[in-house]
Amino acid sequence: DTGVSQDPRHKITKRGQNVTFRCDPISEHNRLYWYRQTLGQGPEFLTYFQNEAQLEKSRLLSDRFSAERPKGSFSTLEIQRTEQGDSAMYLCASSLVGTLGTQYFGPGTRLTVL
Amino acid sequence: AQTVTQSQPEMSVQEAETVTLSCTYDTSESDYYLFWYKQPPSRQMILVIRQEAYKQQNATENRFSVNFQKAAKSFSLKISDSQLGDAAMYFCAYSPLEGGSEKLVFGKGTKLTVNP
Repeated sequence: DTGVSQDPRHKITKRGQNVTFRCDPISEHNRLYWYRQTLGQGPEFLTYFQNEAQLEKSRLLSDRFSAERPKGSFSTLEIQRTEQGDSAMYLCASSLVGTLGTQYFGPGTRLTVL
Repeated sequence: AQTVTQSQPEMSVQEAETVTLSCTYDTSESDYYLFWYKQPPSRQMILVIRQEAYKQQNATENRFSVNFQKAAKSFSLKISDSQLGDAAMYFCAYSPLEGGSEKLVFGKGTKLTVNP
């Protein structure tokens, strides 16, 4: 069990560019969550998958954001036409259904939009 | 909408002493989970302790225990025998059972400093 991993750990981009982040959950976990954390705040839920199905999206997830989990394993989060307000830490977490909601978090990807 | 409030942005404690972090939440549901997560500087979020709302007994994990008051919608974390490694941001989180997502709703966090 290697834990949840995220790549890259840091991303600096210019406004208007597209970025993509990857999350690899704990191997047997069937649920995968994305959260966004801005400075001085707690993480906010963005979306989650059960296996390959995206079951819920937050209103925070604008049309510029898209997430996939094509084979029920790793997931990608893409932000198109980045804005300075997208600067944040993007956290991925995974869990196994039936384990009382316990989520295991990755180290996050810190996005800076210039 | 469910909300979680942590009224103490910062707390400090002397090494080996006890500290209590406060958390209140707002929900109309009767079944849910509550969590405390720890986020050390530049490191990932780690689960500290979990409480199921249907259990009256307060959860305990070694030096960490909670005081869960369901009627008051209060969920405080007590850290006994504080250690330097306990220094971190602590987040209280609520997870609704309704809807099935078990997504987490977090408070803004409390920064804990442990003084030697």
